[in-house]
Amino acid sequence: EDQVTQSPEALRLQEGESSSLNCSYTVSGLRGLFWYRQDPGKGPEFLFTLYSAGEEKEKERLKATLTKKESFLHITAPKPEDSATYLCAVLTGGGNKLTFGTGTQLKVEL
Amino acid sequence: EPEVTQTPSHQVTQMGQEVILRCVPISNHLYFYWYRQILGQKVEFLVSFYNNEISEKSEIFDDQFSVERPDGSNFTLKIRSTKLEDSAMYFCASRSASEQYFGPGTRLTVT
Repeated sequence: EDQVTQSPEALRLQEGESSSLNCSYTVSGLRGLFWYRQDPGKGPEFLFTLYSAGEEKEKERLKATLTKKESFLHITAPKPEDSATYLCAVLTGGGNKLTFGTGTQLKVEL
Repeated sequence: EPEVTQTPSHQVTQMGQEVILRCVPISNHLYFYWYRQILGQKVEFLVSFYNNEISEKSEIFDDQFSVERPDGSNFTLKIRSTKLEDSAMYFCASRSASEQYFGPGTRLTVT
């Protein structure tokens, strides 16, 4: 069974304090790893898709990287508006479903 | 920017009633999905739909649930005989080759 584990569960940062979120996975046949941002009461907002070990993608203050066992979401100089829950999900097998982790709840304070 | 839309945003129903949740996926996408998220829990896959048929479904998606694409734009999830434990956020999603976009969700409350 595919498993996705995210850590930490919650993270509190000061504005400008860079950090990384971790997503480790155990799957049979990774076809893609997705990162989403989710605000309270809203749907997941697509950020990145990574396909192979060594791949990196960037968007504003966010950079996602992928190895054979885990992915990192690096947040550089975060701002309060980056506060949200960040979700990791894997697309496997027939490629017809995403399996999600439980997320990391990020709070960035002034 | 194209987006997935869902209606209604909030649905309250009594136990045992039937509800239909509606979605309009992104127009050039071919894969459509329903997921749900119980309050405080992770997002769970329910069903995927491709080429006018179900391509995969989870254990949650039993005979109580059905999906339909009645026309070229809408994608619906029907829940029959709702139970208290069906209360959750239901998200529709659609996928291109590399990106899967979610709608804003329908909050279903079963009383």
